[in-house]
Amino acid sequence: DIVMTQSPDSLAVSLGERATINCKSSQSVLYSSNNKNYLAWYQQKPGQPPKLLIYWASTRESGVPDRFSGSGSGTDFTLTISSLQAEDVAVYYCQQYYSTPLFTFGPGTKVDIK
Amino acid sequence: EVQLVESGGGLVQPGGSLRLSCAASGFTFSSYWMHWVRQAPGKGLVWVSRINSDGSSTSYADSVKGRFTISRDNAKNTLYLQMNSLRAEDTAVYYCARGGAARTPYDYWGQGTLVTVSS
Repeated sequence: DIVMTQSPDSLAVSLGERATINCKSSQSVLYSSNNKNYLAWYQQKPGQPPKLLIYWASTRESGVPDRFSGSGSGTDFTLTISSLQAEDVAVYYCQQYYSTPLFTFGPGTKVDIK
Repeated sequence: EVQLVESGGGLVQPGGSLRLSCAASGFTFSSYWMHWVRQAPGKGLVWVSRINSDGSSTSYADSVKGRFTISRDNAKNTLYLQMNSLRAEDTAVYYCARGGAARTPYDYWGQGTLVTVSS
């Protein structure tokens, strides 16, 4: 099974500042035949289900604000919130969907306002 | 509008059974793979099971294999999870989630249904 790790466990950022979350997979999730990274990011606000933010490591889901961006390849990935808003307080999870059927999630990173 | 609505959760004693349902609307249910993902209180997301679009292929996490059964009724646009021999560690919110094909992320999630296994 592919193990996903995230860092930090939590972070507090001032409104309008940048938040950066890292995700690492135990093996590459880059599929060489199509050069796509099978890596997604989800946002989960308290009491709500997760929401897909980014897939293929860097493609924003429709309707997701452009302050959210994803980057990375292979085993190392980053989710960046360029200018933190109050509504971005949530737990963020990365997920690999390379190794079927077990699409493992990272443990989550909690983002709060400083 | 895509909607996934889970039901069937509740309090059950260890060793008991529950059947969860997920009613889908707003999309062609029979074209999509579907998944169950659970989240224990205060914990992270864990994939439980998945079923392909016509129901001919299923997979399970090791922790539930042999105890849980996923199924679907495409005529009723409904996904199911039959849970038997329940254990305290199965206590969680259970979400149904829509996937595309074999290797796609989950683009829509239900609100979840809470299963509590306790005596």
